[in-house]
Parts: sequence; C-alpha cells; structure tokens
Amino acid sequence: ETGVTQSPTHLIKTRGQQVTLRCSSQSGHNTVSWYQQALGQGPQFIFQYYREEENGRGNFPPRFSGLQFPNYSSELNVNALELDDSALYLCASSGSSSGNTIYFGEGSWLTVV
Amino acid sequence: SQQGEEDPQALSIQEGENATMNCSYKTSINNLQWYRQNSGRGLVHLILIRSNEREKHSGRLRVTLDTSKKSSSLLITASRAADTASYFCATDDYTGANSKLTFGKGITLSVRP
Repeated sequence: ETGVTQSPTHLIKTRGQQVTLRCSSQSGHNTVSWYQQALGQGPQFIFQYYREEENGRGNFPPRFSGLQFPNYSSELNVNALELDDSALYLCASSGSSSGNTIYFGEGSWLTVV
Repeated sequence: SQQGEEDPQALSIQEGENATMNCSYKTSINNLQWYRQNSGRGLVHLILIRSNEREKHSGRLRVTLDTSKKSSSLLITASRAADTASYFCATDDYTGANSKLTFGKGITLSVRP
C-alpha cells in the first residue's frame, strides 16, 4: 500500500474522444509524475508537477496535459485519443519526506477502440 | 528512450534458488531504483541505491551498483513462488525538485513451486 490512489482503474474510450485520469498523492508528497506503460514495455515518463506547475516533460505531444491541485492531487488529460494511447497510466508521487524514493499507484488501464 | 537495459529478459528458477537480475544504463545518475510489478498492476518500490553507494540490502534483496561500469544487479535470495513478477530498474537523474525515472523493459521472473 503506497498511499497513491488512482481512478478509474479501467476504462474504454473511442478514438478521438478525451479522457481524464485522476491521482491522489501520498500524504506529504508535493511532486506528482505520470507515466505511460504500453503492454510489454517499461513505463515512459510523461510529465511531472511540482507545486502546481509542470516541472519536466517527456517525449509526449501537447494533447497530453495535466494539472496539479493545491492538495497535490493531479489529473492527466488526453485529447483526441489514438489507438496507440491504449496503455496503463501510472501516477507516482514523491517529496522531501520520501528521500528521492518514488511511489506508484496501481494505475489506470485505458483501452482506446 | 529506454535508459536501463535489464538482463536477462526472462528468468525461470525453482523455489528456494537465488535469482540474479542485471541492469545497465547509459548516462550519469543520481540514484537507481528497483521495482516489482505483478501482472497488470502498479509498481512496488523495492530498493533505492544512491550513486555513492555500492551495495544495499533489504530483507532477501541485495542490490549492487557499479557506476564505473554503469550497471546494477538485484539478487533475490531463497526465492518464493510469490516473487513471480516483472522487475524493473529505473535510473533517476534527480536535480533539485525535478526527479524523472527512466525504465528498462523489465525482467520476467518465474519461480516454480
């Protein structure tokens, strides 16, 4: 149990639609990151939020966007969904109290049809 | 792009045997973290080793880091069927508040009862 919670756990969307995934970080953690994990691959860094601002971004197009709220929870939004967006989306949190250790949630499985 | 490259890609052993997994990476790092992932679920943090450390233990786990060779190994002693999972190494080039993990493709470990 990492204290990082994500919702929903599974969802199916149609190509072209938009999706919002949610994450509550572990108590006391002010940094949230999002990762995409395609089947059979390792997770890929999408972006990170620190104190409500984007603080680093991986090689993902602008249709991947996010938010961090004052309570450090976060959202990942993906617009104009493509079939290749089908993946497990993982939220991770960290903070000064975690000593650089990064804790992950259980993930949200997104299937785009 | 994947920074870490794990070896072997798949490992099958008998319960009670030791499992050794290796990871190589390409660029300078601040720390390296090992994670376990059960099928279709989130990542469970196993151990973090900093760039100035050479060896670390946690229960049945032993991790080594050789920064001159840019490699790390994870040893699981006295393996159990419950250790069956995918294992990932992830490098962290943490700078200040910006911490980003770069993962390899993972190692699939099967422990036969």
